[in-house]
Amino acid sequence: EDQVTQSPEALRLQEGESSSLNCSYTVSGLRGLFWYRQDPGKGPEFLFTLYSAGEEKEKERLKATLTKKESFLHITAPKPEDSATYLCAVPGAYTDKLIFGTGTRLQVFP
Amino acid sequence: EAEVAQSPRYKITEKSQAVAFWCDPISGHATLYWYRQILGQGPELLVQFQDESVVDDSQLPKDRFSAERLKGVDSTLKIQPAELGDSAMYLCASSLPGTANTGELFFGEGSRLTVL
Repeated sequence: EDQVTQSPEALRLQEGESSSLNCSYTVSGLRGLFWYRQDPGKGPEFLFTLYSAGEEKEKERLKATLTKKESFLHITAPKPEDSATYLCAVPGAYTDKLIFGTGTRLQVFP
Repeated sequence: EAEVAQSPRYKITEKSQAVAFWCDPISGHATLYWYRQILGQGPELLVQFQDESVVDDSQLPKDRFSAERLKGVDSTLKIQPAELGDSAMYLCASSLPGTANTGELFFGEGSRLTVL
């Protein structure tokens, strides 16, 4: 069964304290892994697409990486405005329907 | 900047009542999605349209939910009758054709439904 698991469920960081969020997946023939940011009460906002193991994408303090079994979202020197829920998703093996993880809720304190 | 518009933002209703949500996608986006997101979970696809045609509605509870996109532009999602378990955020998203494999979906701000 196609599945996406994110960890940790919640993460509290001090401003400037770097860390990583994990997204592990089980799907045959990965056709892409996507990261989104979701602010409270809002819809998700697309961040990155990764297609193959070893690929990396960066945006400001965020860097996403991909291996054959998981993806990491690295947050370097986070700021309070980085506080949000970060979701990852993959297309199903035999469908374009996205399978989302449950997200990691990140809180960054000044 | 173009956005996906949704209304209402918030809806409180009693069980057994009918509710409807409206979505206007970004102009030129032929693909439209309705997702349901229960608090603390990831979004789950309810229905996907390509223009006015349904591409995937396998997770839509068809005994009580219906969705239409009559002219291939805006869309309405209806629930009748609403049940307590329908309390959730209903998200509309749109994308350009052929971008499903890029993950570049543009989401609206959602409609938060509370069923009492």
